[in-house]
Amino acid sequence: GQQLNQSPQSMFIQEGEDVSMNCTSSSIFNTWLWYKQEPGEGPVLLIALYKAGELTSNGRLTAQFGITRKDSFLNISASIPSDVGIYFCAGQGAGGTSYGKLTFGQGTILTVHP
Amino acid sequence: DAGITQSPRHKVTETGTPVTLRCHQTENHRYMYWYRQDPGHGLRLIHYSYGVKDTDKGEVSDGYSVSRSKTEDFLLTLESATSSQTSVYFCAILRRGSAGELFFGEGSRLTVL
Repeated sequence: GQQLNQSPQSMFIQEGEDVSMNCTSSSIFNTWLWYKQEPGEGPVLLIALYKAGELTSNGRLTAQFGITRKDSFLNISASIPSDVGIYFCAGQGAGGTSYGKLTFGQGTILTVHP
Repeated sequence: DAGITQSPRHKVTETGTPVTLRCHQTENHRYMYWYRQDPGHGLRLIHYSYGVKDTDKGEVSDGYSVSRSKTEDFLLTLESATSSQTSVYFCAILRRGSAGELFFGEGSRLTVL
């Protein structure tokens, strides 16, 4: 099946620093999504991207849909302690039959030191 | 939280026993999904449903079956649990009007001894 490579696997940063993570795929996706998961909870949707080249922000978070359709990037500016968690990228193929059938990256574990 | 409730939240069982996980939603969503989460693998799709009695297999469906006799309930069954099915299972619904935005439940942690 399709595979997503997400990097880095983990990050240890100081409060106030900016964070960047990315996902690359061997296949083209028509939708990219970014999720955050905290311990004991399900993933929560942060940003959804539907168009190649699209740049979308949600507060301090900015994500981009790569122009090749094979990658996506997530940036977090001025990190705060509550940003701690696991961040997942997910890709979805084309067409209505693909709705909700996501391929996930392995996750980036983010730790923020106060 | 999209009105999703998973039960049980935690279960420990023995190899060879049947297990059923339930996903209940209160907002009449048509599309429902079961994913499993394992370290190093992210989340992987097990089965999905596009409506009552309309289900299909996902990427890792071997050893699992599903049923959807009512819109609000999507059941995942392990006919004979194995240790490799120890995992955290998440139910999800497709946000109405979206083309891929899933909302997840809180998960069911299953341990097969």
